Amino acid sequence: EIVLTQSPTTMAASPGEKVTITCRASSSVSYMHWYQQKPGASPKPWIYDTSKLASGVPNRFSGSGSGTSYSLTISSMETEDTATYYCQQWSRNSPTFGAGTKLELK
Amino acid sequence: QVQLKESGPGLVQPSQTLSLTCTVSGLSLTSKSVSWIRQPPGKGLEWMGVIWSNGGTDYNSAIKSRLSISRDTSKSQVFLKMNSLQTEDTAMYFCARIWRVFDYWGQGVMVTVSS
Repeated sequence: EIVLTQSPTTMAASPGEKVTITCRASSSVSYMHWYQQKPGASPKPWIYDTSKLASGVPNRFSGSGSGTSYSLTISSMETEDTATYYCQQWSRNSPTFGAGTKLELK
Repeated sequence: QVQLKESGPGLVQPSQTLSLTCTVSGLSLTSKSVSWIRQPPGKGLEWMGVIWSNGGTDYNSAIKSRLSISRDTSKSQVFLKMNSLQTEDTAMYFCARIWRVFDYWGQGVMVTVSS
């Protein structure tokens, strides 16, 4: 099983601040996907295939990476971005999720 | 439009079997695959298993011995059965469609394991 380690676990950002969340895989993966989850709601696909934005996702979000290191970046933090973000990989028919990064507003 | 909805008992006694149903609309189970994913209160997401569009299944190795996923394509339903439940199985249980990612999710059903 591929273990995904996200960092930081929790962070706070001010409006307009640049935010980067990282996800490291225990073995190389081809792609990384990201989900956004707000309290009381189901997760939403946010970034797929490492760098493609899901429908409706603002273009201040971007994804990058390869091999064992991936990241989600917000170019300019906005209030509505407060949420928990999870990375996810699918390897050998056994997907795994990272533990999540809780992003709060400073 | 694509919709998934989970249903099942909210409370299960320890050592008993959990049975959940995911009813889908706007998608064909013979052309799309569906997974079950759970989330303990205040914790992260755990993939449980998948039923592929061809009817094959794959399971999380950590719970494989206790888990079974099946479907009834005529009723557009996917089923989860998990036996020998313990308190650590208390979680929100989601079903989700698969297309590159888990792109459509149900609202989830909260299952509490308690006597």
